[in-house]
Amino acid sequence: QVQLQESGPGLVKPSETLSLTCTVSDGSFSSNSYYWNWIRQPPGKGLEWIGTIYYSGSTYYSPSLKSRVTISVDTSKKQFSLKLSSVTAADTAVYYCARSVVVVLASTRLNHWGQGTLVTVSS
Amino acid sequence: DIQMTQSPSSLSASVGDRVTITCQASQDITNNLNWYQQKPGKAPKLLIYDASNLQPGVPSRFSGGGSGTDFTFTITSLQPEDIATYYCQQYDSVLPSLTFGGGTKVEIK
Repeated sequence: QVQLQESGPGLVKPSETLSLTCTVSDGSFSSNSYYWNWIRQPPGKGLEWIGTIYYSGSTYYSPSLKSRVTISVDTSKKQFSLKLSSVTAADTAVYYCARSVVVVLASTRLNHWGQGTLVTVSS
Repeated sequence: DIQMTQSPSSLSASVGDRVTITCQASQDITNNLNWYQQKPGKAPKLLIYDASNLQPGVPSRFSGGGSGTDFTFTITSLQPEDIATYYCQQYDSVLPSLTFGGGTKVEIK
C-alpha cells in the first residue's frame, strides 16, 4: 500500500515562500496511472485543491493560486514539491499531498493521502 | 469554474437513522463526483467514486447516487464511528482540476 509523507517547515514568515515536499513510498510514482496533488485546509474550514503534477512534470494549478504556486517533481527521489510565494496569514493551513487516479487525461479520485502538515504563517 | 454546493452544512441524527447529504454542481458533470469522510485530525478518506461506486473496504451502509448536476450521499444506518465531516469533490473530465464542496459535519443526537 502506497504511503505519502509531507515534510517541511511548520512556520513561515509573511511575504516569504512556503516550501513542502511529499515523499512517495513505492514505484507508483513513475506510473502513468496516477497524478500527484497538493490540497490544503485552513483551520476549521474546508478542503481546497492547490495543484497537480504528473510524473513527466506536467502541471495544473488552481486559478485562484496560480500566480503564486510552483509544483515540481524529482522522480529519482520519488518526491514532488510545493512552493507558494508571498504568503500571508490566509495561507495558514494543513497541507496534504495525495495521489489521484488517471482516467484518460482526468485526475479523478484521490485514493491515497498523506497525513498532512500544519503550516503557520506568522512573524 | 464549476462550483459545488453541498447541503446541509451540518446535521445531527440518532444512531440507526438514515442520513442524506446533497451536492449540486453549477453545471453538468455527468458522474464525475466523489465523496470523502474526514475525521478530526485525520486526512480525508475516499468512500464513493464516480457518483455511486463504493471504494473497496468501505462499509455498504454508505452509498451515493445522482448524475448531471444533482448528487446524494446516504448513510443507511448511522453508526457512532460515522461522526465526521463529509465532502463531495468533482473532477474535470478533460484537465486534472478538482473542486470540493463545502463539507457537511455529521453529529450524533
